Amino acid sequence: DTGVSQNPRHKITKRGQNVTFRCDPISEHNRLYWYRQTLGQGPEFLTYFQNEAQLEKSRLLSDRFSAERPKGSFSTLEIQRTEQGDSAMYLCASSTYETYQETQYFGPGTRLLVL
Amino acid sequence: SQQGEEDPQALSIQEGENATMNCSYKTSINNLQWYRQNSGRGLVHLILIRSNEREKHSGRLRVTLDTSKKSSSLLITASRAADTASYFCATDDGNAGNMLTFGGGTRLMVKP
Repeated sequence: DTGVSQNPRHKITKRGQNVTFRCDPISEHNRLYWYRQTLGQGPEFLTYFQNEAQLEKSRLLSDRFSAERPKGSFSTLEIQRTEQGDSAMYLCASSTYETYQETQYFGPGTRLLVL
Repeated sequence: SQQGEEDPQALSIQEGENATMNCSYKTSINNLQWYRQNSGRGLVHLILIRSNEREKHSGRLRVTLDTSKKSSSLLITASRAADTASYFCATDDGNAGNMLTFGGGTRLMVKP
């Protein structure tokens, strides 16, 4: 068990390009969350999966954002037609569902810079 | 939107002193969690306190929860330079799975 991993760790892209980030959760965890963190702020929830089902996506920031978890293991977050305002740290977390006491374990994040 | 508000936003102390950070939130919760984040890194889970608990300890950490006031505090005793980081409270209100709603954080600097 090596914890939650995210790739790439850093991404620089030009405005209008598409980017995709990957998250590999802790192997036995069935829940996977995506958050976004802008400078000086706390993380903001985007979406989550239980196994391969995406159970909440209304908080994705726009229809340019999408996420998948095709086999209930790793997940990808894609941003299409990036804008400068998308520059942020994108964090992934995983957990095992436990009512009232679920601990989420975070990865190191992918820092995105849109030029 | 952010549920929690941490107070103070920044705190600077000397090594060996205690550091206290406060968090207020708005809605009823299942639990409240505290995380630490070193500059530019991911979040490290420190402690979880359930809504029916009032106090919890873990090593040099002490967390209190007052659900009537919708507030929590994190006390770090005998601080070390390595405790320098941002500290976030996060609430789980049982919505959207167990999504966490974070506050804006307290930036703690411990001077050697």
